[in-house]
Amino acid sequence: DQQVKQNSPSLSVQEGRISILNCDYTNSMFDYFLWYKKYPAEGPTFLISISSIKDKNEDGRFTVFLNKSAKHLSLHIVPSQPGDSAVYFCAASAEGGKLIFGQGTELSVKP
Amino acid sequence: EPEVTQTPSHQVTQMGQEVILRCVPISNHLYFYWYRQILGQKVEFLVSFYNNEISEKSEIFDDQFSVERPDGSNFTLKIRSTKLEDSAMYFCASSEGDNTDTQYFGPGTRLTVL
Repeated sequence: DQQVKQNSPSLSVQEGRISILNCDYTNSMFDYFLWYKKYPAEGPTFLISISSIKDKNEDGRFTVFLNKSAKHLSLHIVPSQPGDSAVYFCAASAEGGKLIFGQGTELSVKP
Repeated sequence: EPEVTQTPSHQVTQMGQEVILRCVPISNHLYFYWYRQILGQKVEFLVSFYNNEISEKSEIFDDQFSVERPDGSNFTLKIRSTKLEDSAMYFCASSEGDNTDTQYFGPGTRLTVL
């Protein structure tokens, strides 16, 4: 099941710079997308979401962009902080409310 | 801030044994979910539950699995006869509404089947 893909397994960024995490999806029927952050041995923590009727949603240092024609979304974190180091998952909401997750991108923010 | 809780944090069992994983969703939420993550793999949907019924289930959720809301606060996942491949982190989640509502996840139960 490759309906949601995160092609970069890891990303390393310097503290204070921008982190850009990318996600692609294949099903044009998805209408709601979410980003979660996850630390080892913990559950996913909700970060930010976007409805398909929008192309941008911002919350503090986090901004999610949605390009429906390209079936692509991205999460921007600026400025990046060492505490942002974690695995980031994008997810699409499908029928029945189930979330379909990407494989995750491990972000490392170096001081 | 309200949160989803899960017990136990770690469960070790012998192959063929029954296990029950427990969750307490956020109190005003109406939709409940179970997901699992096998080590090194994606988080996978298992089942969604609303109004005391299963709304949606994945291919993974076969006859060995069942869910129940035995009272007004708990939501449980039962695996009747565990297999080695059931070893994974199991996450419970809940949301106020369905498709376009945010799901909030618990900390997970690590199930180890020996």
